[in-house]
Amino acid sequence: KNEVEQSPQNLTAQEGEFITINCSYSVGISALHWLQQHPGGGIVSLFMLSSGKKKHGRLIATINIQEKHSSLHITASHPRDSAVYICAVGSNYKLTFGKGTLLTVNP
Amino acid sequence: KAGVTQTPRYLIKTRGQQVTLSCSPISGHRSVSWYQQTPGQGLQFLFEYFSETQRNKGNFPGRFSGRQFSNSRSEMNVSTLELGDSALYLCASSLETAGEQFFGPGTRLTVL
Repeated sequence: KNEVEQSPQNLTAQEGEFITINCSYSVGISALHWLQQHPGGGIVSLFMLSSGKKKHGRLIATINIQEKHSSLHITASHPRDSAVYICAVGSNYKLTFGKGTLLTVNP
Repeated sequence: KAGVTQTPRYLIKTRGQQVTLSCSPISGHRSVSWYQQTPGQGLQFLFEYFSETQRNKGNFPGRFSGRQFSNSRSEMNVSTLELGDSALYLCASSLETAGEQFFGPGTRLTVL
């Protein structure tokens, strides 16, 4: 079993829909990261969180430390949100990554 | 502020050769991490450096090594290249220990 599990692996949505990507982990962590990677593009850090909830624009990330679970929400999705979203957990100066969720938002 | 830079951006090598990749972190960032990304395995941690000290190393063979200089710039070296080493190699820097990571554009290594 992978230390970091993401679901779903693939997600197709219509523009305007509310999107949720889930991440579960099995190890103790110092922080959880949500990253975005566009096809052929670099990786951008969206959130780093160790408790509670954070919001940047249309993106919201939550974490439940007791349940070892985090969610990334995108409100009012847009085609430019199409990308791979990767969950990573940090512990002992090391990041361990999920396999990523490929999100496609159709106009 | 300039972002994380990596050189070269693309590299083609043959099996058995060695390669050195370079990473310049954001000014003021002292932590540099290296990652390998492949279609099959996704992103995997290689190593992390802070103030010239390697603090953790991923599950890779000894052919993979790295170092960090006093100006925080970092290099990684892969010796005796294998076909399976073909990947995108990414470095990321952060201001503080276990802080938010800022990724470079990566070096695309192809081993023939």
